[in-house]
Amino acid sequence: EPEVTQTPSHQVTQMGQEVILRCVPISNHLYFYWYRQILGQKVEFLVSFYNNEISEKSEIFDDQFSVERPDGSNFTLKIRSTKLEDSAMYFCATNRDRENEQYFGPGTRLTVT
Amino acid sequence: SQQGEEDPQALSIQEGENATMNCSYKTSINNLQWYRQNSGRGLVHLILIRSNEREKHSGRLRVTLDTSKKSSSLLITASRAADTASYFCATPLEYGNKLVFGAGTILRVKS
Repeated sequence: EPEVTQTPSHQVTQMGQEVILRCVPISNHLYFYWYRQILGQKVEFLVSFYNNEISEKSEIFDDQFSVERPDGSNFTLKIRSTKLEDSAMYFCATNRDRENEQYFGPGTRLTVT
Repeated sequence: SQQGEEDPQALSIQEGENATMNCSYKTSINNLQWYRQNSGRGLVHLILIRSNEREKHSGRLRVTLDTSKKSSSLLITASRAADTASYFCATPLEYGNKLVFGAGTILRVKS
């Protein structure tokens, strides 16, 4: 069964550094999302992406965040200058269309020191 | 209060018993989705129920939806130790398809 994959599984970075989290969506899916989950808290929506542009973003998704699909395959989340409070699990999700279930990747655990 | 809140917050049962988790939401929805998360791992999609459906089954899972009460329940029958996980309901907001998650129910199945 096709899966969403994410790399790396764990990233440790120093405050102020840039990180890029990568996701490979399921091949025939058209809608892509990033969510995050701070330890012990709810899963929170960050951004949705469709047709090569952001369709919706949350208040969390400020100027430090960006997304792109550079090669038509990978879907990336970049955090330009990480803060301690960016430490969380970051999940990529995809779905075929807006009416169907979203499939989540295994997540990237980001630790900012 | 928030869209998509589960109760109970935690549930501990013996293997073989049934587990019922409930979810309430605030706004109109097109569908409601249930996910499972093992500790520190990713979210696994369990079942999606659409707003025009009242009940749906998948293996040992049974989901109900009552749009008049804005609530849903997830029943796991004949639970197993491997069912130990956190269970979340999630709803796409009517004006978009971002999922809003509840805080989840932590289920512990004792063998």
